[in-house]
Amino acid sequence: ETGVTQTPRHLVMGMTNKKSLKCEQHLGHNAMYWYKQSAKKPLELMFVYNFKEQTENNSVPSRFSPECPNSSHLFLHLHTLQPEDSALYLCASSQDPTGGQPQHFGDGTRLSIL
Amino acid sequence: LAKTTQPISMDSYEGQEVNITCSHNNIATNDYITWYQQFPSQGPRFIIQGYKTKVTNEVASLFIPADRKSSTLSLPRVSLSDTAVYYCLVVLYNNNDMRFGAGTRLTVKP
Repeated sequence: ETGVTQTPRHLVMGMTNKKSLKCEQHLGHNAMYWYKQSAKKPLELMFVYNFKEQTENNSVPSRFSPECPNSSHLFLHLHTLQPEDSALYLCASSQDPTGGQPQHFGDGTRLSIL
Repeated sequence: LAKTTQPISMDSYEGQEVNITCSHNNIATNDYITWYQQFPSQGPRFIIQGYKTKVTNEVASLFIPADRKSSTLSLPRVSLSDTAVYYCLVVLYNNNDMRFGAGTRLTVKP
C-alpha cells in the first residue's frame, strides 16, 4: 500500500471512445504527476500539478487532458487515442515538485487501445 | 538538460553486493538524485535519495562523487526478491525537469 490508488487497473478502449483514469492520494501531498511507461522506454513525465495548478506539460498531445480538482485527486481524460498510446499510465504524488521529496507511485492503469 | 544513463541489465548471485551506476552530467548543486525499484505490475517504489557524498538507509547506500556526474546505488547482500528494475531519477531543482533513466534490470540468481 503506497497511499496512491489508481483506477481502473486495466482499461481496453477503442480509438473513438472517451474514458478517464483516476488517481487518489491519501498522503497529504501537494504535488501530483502523470507518467507514461511504454515497453522498453524510460518513464515519460506527462503532467505535473502543484497545489492544483498545472506546472508542467511535456508536449503531451491534446487527446490527453488532465484535471486536478483538489490536491488529493487527479484525473486523465482520454479521447480519440491512437494505438501507440497503449502503455502503463502511472500516477505519483510528493510533498513538493522540487525533487527534495521522493515521489510515491500508484500501481498504474494498463491501457490498451484497439 | 540532464540526461541519465544506466546499464540495461545486470546479473548477480544471492548474498553478493550489487552496485548500479547512473551517469547524469550537467546537474546543479541543488538537484537531487533518487533511486526507485519496480516489480512487474507495480509502480516504482522509493529506495534512497541524496545530493552529495554518501547516504545510507536500511536497504541501500547511495554514493555520489564530488563532481556529481554519476551516482552509485549499492545493494548489500542481495536476495532473489531483489530481482527487479532499478531506476535513477534526477530532478532539476530550478525548473522541476525530471529525467528518469531507462532502468537497470537486475536478476539475482540462486
